[in-house]
Amino acid sequence: SYELTQPPSVSVSPGQTARITCSGDALPKQHAYWYQQKPGQAPVLVIYKDSERPSGIPERFSGSSSGTTVTLTISGVQAEDEADYYCQSADSSGTWVFGGGTKLTVL
Amino acid sequence: QVQLQESGPGLVKPSQTLSLTCTVSGGSISSGNYYWSWIRQHPGKGLEWIGYIYYSGSTHYNPSLKSRLTISVDTSKNQFSLKLSSVTAADTAVYYCAREAGDYGLDVWGQGTTVTVSS
Repeated sequence: SYELTQPPSVSVSPGQTARITCSGDALPKQHAYWYQQKPGQAPVLVIYKDSERPSGIPERFSGSSSGTTVTLTISGVQAEDEADYYCQSADSSGTWVFGGGTKLTVL
Repeated sequence: QVQLQESGPGLVKPSQTLSLTCTVSGGSISSGNYYWSWIRQHPGKGLEWIGYIYYSGSTHYNPSLKSRLTISVDTSKNQFSLKLSSVTAADTAVYYCAREAGDYGLDVWGQGTTVTVSS
């Protein structure tokens, strides 16, 4: 079955830039999405179609794509950004898949 | 503003059928722009996509759950539902319903409901 691979954890200091990657063979052909999930809460969409930001999401969140890897970048990380982040995309049959998630720690 | 709310039993016995309903408020489930999805999260683990339904009744399921899964829609009640049969402890999870806006992703989520499979 199709898999999306994320690093289990990323740590950054406040004000620095965090980059979270997601790798998958179908990513050159399928859009990727990113979700933020804080403890005890439902996920929140922060990036859609690789690099688009929904209304209400701070500008410090951005997304990019290169080949089989997509990247979520959080510039000027704030303490409130500490959360789990999940990428999502589809396989060739249109079945949605989530990455394993990355825990972002703000030191 | 569209809101989603899951409801259903919090405890299900092994081998029985898990049944959940998602009620959509603030908008019509019959809007042609959206797919209505179920996602689950095992305790301390990541997200798992279960499947979605369009208001017309067409569905797409996670192959790993397809043999046990039924997702249905009731447009008159503005609800969609999930039934997962022959459950085991491995089906214990927080179950979320969500709205998929096509290329715009899962843009609205319910708060989630915890389902425990235990005798």
